[in-house]
Amino acid sequence: SSELTQGPAVSVALGQTVRITCQGDSLRSDYASWYQQKAGQAPILVFFGKDNRPSGIPDRFSASSSGTISFLTITGAQAEDEADFYCSCRDNSHNHPVVFGGGTRVTVL
Amino acid sequence: QVQLHQWGAGLLKPSETLALTCTVSGGPFSGLYLTWIRQPPGKGLEWIGEVTYDGSVNVKSSLKSRVTISVDTSKNQFSLKVNSVTAADTAIYYCARGGHSFIATWGQGTLVTVSS
Repeated sequence: SSELTQGPAVSVALGQTVRITCQGDSLRSDYASWYQQKAGQAPILVFFGKDNRPSGIPDRFSASSSGTISFLTITGAQAEDEADFYCSCRDNSHNHPVVFGGGTRVTVL
Repeated sequence: QVQLHQWGAGLLKPSETLALTCTVSGGPFSGLYLTWIRQPPGKGLEWIGEVTYDGSVNVKSSLKSRVTISVDTSKNQFSLKVNSVTAADTAIYYCARGGHSFIATWGQGTLVTVSS
C-alpha cells in the first residue's frame, strides 16, 4: 500500500500530553519519520527511526510504533508546538518511494 | 551546519517547464539522498523524487513521464525539471537532503505558480 493515514486535527491543553497517529501497511517494514511544519515555514524533522531525535529537538517529543501504526507523542505540550505534523516512511512497493501522511494539525489550548 | 539553497522561476504558464536547482553547503553532498518534495497551497506534502546515495534516480510513478532529476556533483547541486506544467503543479517546491527513511534538512522552499 502507498498510503499513510493521519487524523486531521487534535487539540491539547498547555502542559498536557497529546499523541498523533499514523497508519499504513508500509509501517510494518519501515519506521516512520515525523516532521513539524509551522505556518509559513519549511518542515523540520522531529523524530526518525526506532529512537532518534535530531539535535535541538526537545525531549518532550517521542515516537513509538505497533504493527501498522506509528505514534508521535508530545509530553507536556508547549505553545510553540502548535503546528502541522506529518509522518513519512518508505513505501513497500516497487522502487520504494517515500510516502507522506496527510498531516495532523495540533492546536495547543 | 548543512544548508540547502534553492532557486528557479516562480511564475509559469501552462505547458512550460518548471526548473529548480538546489545547492548543498556545509556538509557532504554525496552518499545521501537528495530529494524534491512539493506542497500545494493549504495542502500536504508530496514526494516527487530523489537521487540516491549511489546515483540512482527514483521518481513518483504518477510524475515519471514529466519529471527529470539530475545532479552535478562538481557544483554540489541537484536539479528538478517538470515538463508541461498545469495549474495542478502550483505548489511550494522544496529540495531536501537526508537518509533512506528520513529528511534531515530542507531548503527554504520556492513557490511556483502556474497561471495563464
